Amino acid sequence: NAGVMQNPRHLVRRRGQEARLRCSPMKGHSHVYWYRQLPEEGLKFMVYLQKENIIDESGMPKERFSAEFPKEGPSILRIQQVVRGDSAAYFCASSRVDFRTGLNTEAFFGQGTRLTVV
Amino acid sequence: QKEVEQNSGPLSVPEGAIASLNCTYSDRGSQSFFWYRQYSGKSPELIMSIYSNGDKEDGRFTAQLNKASQYVSLLIRDSQPSDSATYLCAVRADSNYQLIWGAGTKLIIKP
Repeated sequence: NAGVMQNPRHLVRRRGQEARLRCSPMKGHSHVYWYRQLPEEGLKFMVYLQKENIIDESGMPKERFSAEFPKEGPSILRIQQVVRGDSAAYFCASSRVDFRTGLNTEAFFGQGTRLTVV
Repeated sequence: QKEVEQNSGPLSVPEGAIASLNCTYSDRGSQSFFWYRQYSGKSPELIMSIYSNGDKEDGRFTAQLNKASQYVSLLIRDSQPSDSATYLCAVRADSNYQLIWGAGTKLIIKP
């Protein structure tokens, strides 16, 4: 029973390149969260998605950042024209809805992608 | 603005003692409460979830929830050096999806 899988674990990009981060949720999970974390700082919410649907992108920068969660395949966080300030750890978490209670369940995290922009 | 507050610490506790971590939240409609542990350079790991008032125990960990006072706490009994980490409190708002995170409390267990 694989957990949340993120790849790559480490990604180095030059300024101006594109970064593409992938997240495969746990089996049976259809909800994905993306977070950004700088060293010694807390988690910063970016976006919340269900399959084929962006529910909340209030934490996403208006430019250069986009996210998707297609019907098939992993969720993708895309950062275009990266700058040094994009260097951070990017975490994905997944959860599901308990159909008995109607409540969204616990969120489980992947190992994260450490993005370094040089 | 929905908020979750935690003392940033560091909280220093001698090995073998009880570590007590606290968290307060602003949204009275919150339904679900979670404690995560994050080691430096690693991803957050779920320790406990609690949904009802009272205590919930799992091994050396006890989560306590008081909805009337809007606080949730985590007790760690028989603290070990391996418990040294940052502990994150997360609260799910009444929207049933949005997780509101505290900034975390850094816990140091001294041998």
